[in-house]
Amino acid sequence: AQTVTQSQPEMSVQEAETVTLSCTYDTSESDYYLFWYKQPPSRQMILVIRQEAYKQQNATENRFSVNFQKAAKSFSLKISDSQLGDAAMYFCAYRSGGNEKLTFGTGTRLTIIP
Amino acid sequence: EAGVAQSPRYKIIEKRQSVAFWCNPISGHATLYWYQQILGQGPKLLIQFQNNGVVDDSQLPKDRFSAERLKGVDSTLKIQPAKLEDSAVYLCASSLGLGRGYGYTFGSGTRLTVV
Repeated sequence: AQTVTQSQPEMSVQEAETVTLSCTYDTSESDYYLFWYKQPPSRQMILVIRQEAYKQQNATENRFSVNFQKAAKSFSLKISDSQLGDAAMYFCAYRSGGNEKLTFGTGTRLTIIP
Repeated sequence: EAGVAQSPRYKIIEKRQSVAFWCNPISGHATLYWYQQILGQGPKLLIQFQNNGVVDDSQLPKDRFSAERLKGVDSTLKIQPAKLEDSAVYLCASSLGLGRGYGYTFGSGTRLTVV
């Protein structure tokens, strides 16, 4: 079974600075997808960024980028120019290529310090 | 595009009572999911529907939980009887079901407190 581990329960960063959230995963599959989701107090899970395992290029979405290390099974999220609206729980998630079920990590609570 | 609708938003019940949650997915989304998110944990899949058929219910506690998806659209999740450990947020999500994770959209969930 696939597992996703987020070892940082809480992180904080000064507004406008850069922060990196860590995620590792375990799988024996070669076809899979990785995601970072943001969950604000409204509880709705919002997709931040996705990465296909077969793509070597790291995904980027505006201020959000990932460092995907396939051999190390590591998938970290970098948030540049942090904004107050970035404060939320962040979840790393894994999806097998043959199944749409998402397996989530335990989350990292990100606090932005004004 | 309307999002995934869930109701109620909050529910408090006593243990051994029953409760039901409702989900209306995005129009045209073939796949519907119910996730359970216990405080301090990531969401865990309870059941996955493809149209009105069950694809995966391996983690659904079938002695007390049941779910159905009427006519491949709306879905209800029921707990009977509830236990204290069922206190959690129940998230519904839907997707196009075309693979690659495109169009996977979550609702805002129902927060259940069992006392």
